Amino acid sequence: AQSVTQPDIHITVSEGASLELRCNYSYGATPYLFWYVQSPGQGLQLLLKYFSGDTLVQGIKGFEAEFKRSQSSFNLRKPSVHWSDAAEYFCAVGGLYNQGGKLIFGQGTELSVKP
Amino acid sequence: KAGVTQTPRYLIKTRGQQVTLSCSPISGHRSVSWYQQTPGQGLQFLFEYFSETQRNKGNFPGRFSGRQFSNSRSEMNVSTLELGDSALYLCASSGRDRGYEQYFGPGTRLTVT
Repeated sequence: AQSVTQPDIHITVSEGASLELRCNYSYGATPYLFWYVQSPGQGLQLLLKYFSGDTLVQGIKGFEAEFKRSQSSFNLRKPSVHWSDAAEYFCAVGGLYNQGGKLIFGQGTELSVKP
Repeated sequence: KAGVTQTPRYLIKTRGQQVTLSCSPISGHRSVSWYQQTPGQGLQFLFEYFSETQRNKGNFPGRFSGRQFSNSRSEMNVSTLELGDSALYLCASSGRDRGYEQYFGPGTRLTVT
């Protein structure tokens, strides 16, 4: 069955430090890949997406993600974290065969930022 | 362009009642999906509608139903509410035919007492 794993439930980084959030997926083919961010009490905001082509994708708010087919991973990175980046981050897969627009989400990684 | 809107934002219901949640997609978007978010189960897909037709359905009991209108607005209904239905219900819309790139609304927080 298709699944998405975010191994880190909670990560704390200092403001200005770099960030990497991990995401691994299980699917027979290459799915479409997404990262979303959710602030408390809010909906999900799309940070970036990968459909095909260049494996390094740029998103909003200075985030980027790299797709590695051999590792079935799509890790999210940011070179310098700001206090406003504190939120929960979700990795998702879509474009699954015969499943329309359905997205499967990981369990999320909560990011805390130390001043 | 206005984003996805959901009404109401908060709702408190009693066990056994039914509830209807509404979602207005981004203008021009024809695909609407619904998700349930709980601390224990995370984000789970409920169903997807495209051009008034249910295109896909998640693994939820028949108490959960939905529909889409000709203007792409969508409603979901939960009958015979249970305590475990307390959750944040998120609606997402997509302008792509296959509904892959989805934009989410703020959600409706449902509390069942």
